[in-house]
Amino acid sequence: NAGVTQTPKFQVLKTGQSMTLQCAQDMNHEYMSWYRQDPGMGLRLIHYSVGAGITDQGEVPNGYNVSRSTTEDFPLRLLSAAPSQTSVYFCASSRRPPPPDTQYFGPGTRLTVL
Amino acid sequence: AQKVTQAQTEISVVEKEDVTLDCVYETRDTTYYLFWYKQPPSGELVFLIRRNSFDEQNEISGRYSWNFQKSTSSFNFTITASQVVDSAVYFCALSVPNAGGTSYGKLTFGQGTILTVHP
Repeated sequence: NAGVTQTPKFQVLKTGQSMTLQCAQDMNHEYMSWYRQDPGMGLRLIHYSVGAGITDQGEVPNGYNVSRSTTEDFPLRLLSAAPSQTSVYFCASSRRPPPPDTQYFGPGTRLTVL
Repeated sequence: AQKVTQAQTEISVVEKEDVTLDCVYETRDTTYYLFWYKQPPSGELVFLIRRNSFDEQNEISGRYSWNFQKSTSSFNFTITASQVVDSAVYFCALSVPNAGGTSYGKLTFGQGTILTVHP
């Protein structure tokens, strides 16, 4: 099993550009989520999904869209990138709660918005 | 609202010293789960432990041990005889349920503690 994979590993965008961060898992996990990591702030939840076709907002959803058409994939879209979205983005997956299961994290995508 | 506080921003120790990482959490829920994750310099997040609010037993796993005290809302992590490979950022996280249980997957993270172990 590859676990949770994320692409790309690094990305530089200009303000106003759009892009999609890809996340895939091969563990048949129903629960998937996106976090962003900023210095001194830990990780903060952006969006999550409890299964195909079901998504919900986390703590910091503004500026990001998600969809979940398959169990395996959970892409994160930045519609119009802003410098404030410069961060490291992590995707995670787990079996569907309850109870909360161990979340497996991908290797992260380091995004810089100029 | 939930909150996790890791007051120690950075800790520096010499190899073989014991070190304790503090974690204090806030929640009104009586049912919740606590986690510790390790983030080594390579950047990935590695799961260390999960503990539910009904299990206050301390846990030991090799050189790692965890002290869960509901009375002080703390879930501290101790590394005994630290090694250079323990150098990493350590995160404490909290998960609480909503009515449907689906929010259990939403982790509230602390700010992280940077641990540096010197040879």
